Amino acid sequence: DIQMTQSPASLSASPEEIVTITCQASQDIGNWLAWYQQKPGKSPQLLIYSATSLADGIPSRFSGSRSGTQYSLKISRLQVEDTGIYYCLQRYSNPPTFGGGTKLELK
Amino acid sequence: QVQLKESGPGLVQPSQTLSLTCTVSGFSLTSNSVHWVRQPPGKGLEWVGAIWSGGSTDYNSALKSRLSISRDTSKSQVFLKMNSLQTEDTAIYFCTSGWDFDYWGQGVMVTVSS
Repeated sequence: DIQMTQSPASLSASPEEIVTITCQASQDIGNWLAWYQQKPGKSPQLLIYSATSLADGIPSRFSGSRSGTQYSLKISRLQVEDTGIYYCLQRYSNPPTFGGGTKLELK
Repeated sequence: QVQLKESGPGLVQPSQTLSLTCTVSGFSLTSNSVHWVRQPPGKGLEWVGAIWSGGSTDYNSALKSRLSISRDTSKSQVFLKMNSLQTEDTAIYFCTSGWDFDYWGQGVMVTVSS
């Protein structure tokens, strides 16, 4: 199975700051990487697909990038509503595997 | 619009069988796959298994011996059955669809306890 190592496990940032979350794949997964946001008591919401494409209705302050087997989610101009837990997911091969999650809190 | 909704018992006794249903609307099961993902309380997401548009299935290897996923296309329903339940199977169970898991149900909490 492909392992997705996500970091950091948690972070705290101030409104308007820029934050970056990364996922390291254990092997090449091409651009088969998605990012999700999950708020307490809710199901995950797709933010980014194909590593860099913004999902419908997602604010442009969210962006994704790739460097080799490392994938990043950047949130520019952090807003209060961006608190939650973020997960990456690889869909390159079965089984699909998630990163361990990053809990984002605002100061 | 695309919708998925999970249903099933909230409480299951240890060693018993879990039966969950995912009822979908806004798309056809013969054209789209449906996956099950679970989340233990306070923990991360774990892929459980999938039924593909052609009806074939894939399962998490750690659960494969206890798991079965099937569907009724006429009712737009997907079924998950997991036997020999243990306390570590306590989780929220989600069904999701779309290649990038675009669409999710609200989830159903399943507690394994006597």
